[in-house]
Amino acid sequence: GDSVTQMEGPVTLSEEAFLTINCTYTATGYPSLFWYVQYPGEGLQLLLKATKADDKGSNKGFEATYRKETTSFHLEKGSVQVSDSAVYFCALPYSGGGADGLTFGKGTHLIIQP
Amino acid sequence: KAGVTQTPRYLIKTRGQQVTLSCSPISGHRSVSWYQQTPGQGLQFLFEYFSETQRNKGNFPGRFSGRQFSNSRSEMNVSTLELGDSALYLCASSLLAGRSGANVLTFGAGSRLTVL
Repeated sequence: GDSVTQMEGPVTLSEEAFLTINCTYTATGYPSLFWYVQYPGEGLQLLLKATKADDKGSNKGFEATYRKETTSFHLEKGSVQVSDSAVYFCALPYSGGGADGLTFGKGTHLIIQP
Repeated sequence: KAGVTQTPRYLIKTRGQQVTLSCSPISGHRSVSWYQQTPGQGLQFLFEYFSETQRNKGNFPGRFSGRQFSNSRSEMNVSTLELGDSALYLCASSLLAGRSGANVLTFGAGSRLTVL
């Protein structure tokens, strides 16, 4: 079935460093792709999404480009802040019908040190 | 406006018991989906409901069931609890207004179940 693979971490960076979190997927066709984020003590929330190949999603300084050639949706940010410390999940629609089910990667725990 | 509300937030059960968790979606949202989050397996899709109908189901045993009411509120039930059912159970809702598979989900804070 469809699946998502992402680096699990923890990934530890210093403030203002460049961030890349890799995400690759296996799916039939060209599904929408998502990054969700879980801040400490908070619920999961959408960070950004892309609905077709070559689309770029962006939000809060984060960007990810839908690359169908490499089946990837890597998350990047040019200068991270301590407040970006969280767990990041790459996701795509769950196969088998329906509209809202998602298949998530295992999550990448990001720690930003001042 | 109020977010997705899940109750109870924490609960402790023993093996063999059953549990019912509740989810109230954002007002106007008609689609509700459920997920199980554990350290080992991560976030796994359980099922989704729209207009009181189950639209899709993840790969979980029949002990896991759910339903949706006419006001879009949803409940999930786990019967004959096992130690491995200890997890954070997350509910999410959406307007289901966009293309299938492209909707933005709003998640609740979760119900943390501990099975002893």
